[in-house]
Amino acid sequence: QQQVKQSPQSLIVQKGGISIINCAYENTAFDYFPWYQQFPGKGPALLIAIRPDVSEKKEGRFTISFNKSAKQFSLHIMDSQPGDSATYFCAAREETSGSRLTFGEGTQLTVNP
Amino acid sequence: AAGVIQSPRHLIKEKRETATLKCYPIPRHDTVYWYQQGPGQDPQFLISFYEKMQSDKGSIPDRFSAQQFSDYHSELNMSSLELGDSALYFCASSLWGRAPYEQYFGPGTRLTVT
Repeated sequence: QQQVKQSPQSLIVQKGGISIINCAYENTAFDYFPWYQQFPGKGPALLIAIRPDVSEKKEGRFTISFNKSAKQFSLHIMDSQPGDSATYFCAAREETSGSRLTFGEGTQLTVNP
Repeated sequence: AAGVIQSPRHLIKEKRETATLKCYPIPRHDTVYWYQQGPGQDPQFLISFYEKMQSDKGSIPDRFSAQQFSDYHSELNMSSLELGDSALYFCASSLWGRAPYEQYFGPGTRLTVT
């Protein structure tokens, strides 16, 4: 059973548009929520992360919105560029599980020029 | 900045053979994690180590074992390889128990079992 559910599975956006990827979780013991970007054959690269005591965090064109009561969080990529085309994974950490990360299923983002 | 180093980057083995994957964490990082990623799938946690002790265990087959050494590097030993073990294996490192709990991933080892 997937503990972190991610949607959509794939997303196509025009250059300059906004890409939005959503994740939901059930385990209230999760205490840290990172987003990773992965290009084919490469390792996941940490993009941005948030703690549940914060509702929003912005770094450059990337913003995480976090809704603790709904147990949902999302990644917004502003002014999307073709170079952003990659697979994006949300993840969650549980301290009592030794800090392992549990990943969502991933979203394949394509930004058309 | 120094990143996580993994070797080898590519490995081809036959069924029933053994394989050893190595991971060198970011300098000063004391915790190492191993993840397995199948084609088109999300990374799945295998095992982690802090200060040479196993800190957590996930869906790691009994045929696999791992350890962390005094210099903090880690090795994942895989025996009796099966076709289904073909995957990308990632190592990640972090500082134990310290916010912001960031885990940095290496470039991975692509294991192909024929």
